[in-house]
Amino acid sequence: DQQVKQNSPSLSVQEGRISILNCDYTNSMFDYFLWYKKYPAEGPTFLISISSIKDKNEDGRFTVFLNKSAKHLSLHIVPSQPGDSAVYFCAAWNSGNTPLVFGKGTRLSVIA
Amino acid sequence: NAGVTQTPKFRVLKTGQSMTLLCAQDMNHEYMYWYRQDPGMGLRLIHYSVGEGTTAKGEVPDGYNVSRLKKQNFLLGLESAAPSQTSVYFCASSPPGVRQAYEQYFGPGTRLTVT
Repeated sequence: DQQVKQNSPSLSVQEGRISILNCDYTNSMFDYFLWYKKYPAEGPTFLISISSIKDKNEDGRFTVFLNKSAKHLSLHIVPSQPGDSAVYFCAAWNSGNTPLVFGKGTRLSVIA
Repeated sequence: NAGVTQTPKFRVLKTGQSMTLLCAQDMNHEYMYWYRQDPGMGLRLIHYSVGEGTTAKGEVPDGYNVSRLKKQNFLLGLESAAPSQTSVYFCASSPPGVRQAYEQYFGPGTRLTVT
């Protein structure tokens, strides 16, 4: 059973507008939630994270929101730039369980 | 620092052949991982290691074996390759504890095709 779900395989946004990527999870024991970004022919790289005790974390153009009651998190990119075009993986971590759990990814295309 | 390196970058195998993928990291990380990425399936953990001489199964371990004889190296073996193992394989390493969540460093990937 998928513990981390990204239900949108792809998203297309115009340059300068807001990109919103969504992620749902089922395990209420997760302590941290993260977003990793992947360009073609490269390995994923860490983008931003949020602790389960917070509801928002901001880093420049990137903000992650966490709604624990809904078991939902989202990544907002404002303003979107063509260089943001990549696959974004949502991930979650539980201190009692070693490996990260990744979602299936959402491919973001930012159109100039 | 090279970070995480993977050898080879590309490989084509025939069904039934065997091969070993090598991962090396120079960050002195305790933990290492092997993932596969398939279209529509995201990143799936094959095996991982929390220290030299230790290995553990991930989500999709069948058909693969691993060894961590040295802290800096993590080998992934396919004893008898099958077309279902056609994929892009990523190695990663991280420190232990909570840092493993946001300090997981990935290699560039190995594209494997099994015909």
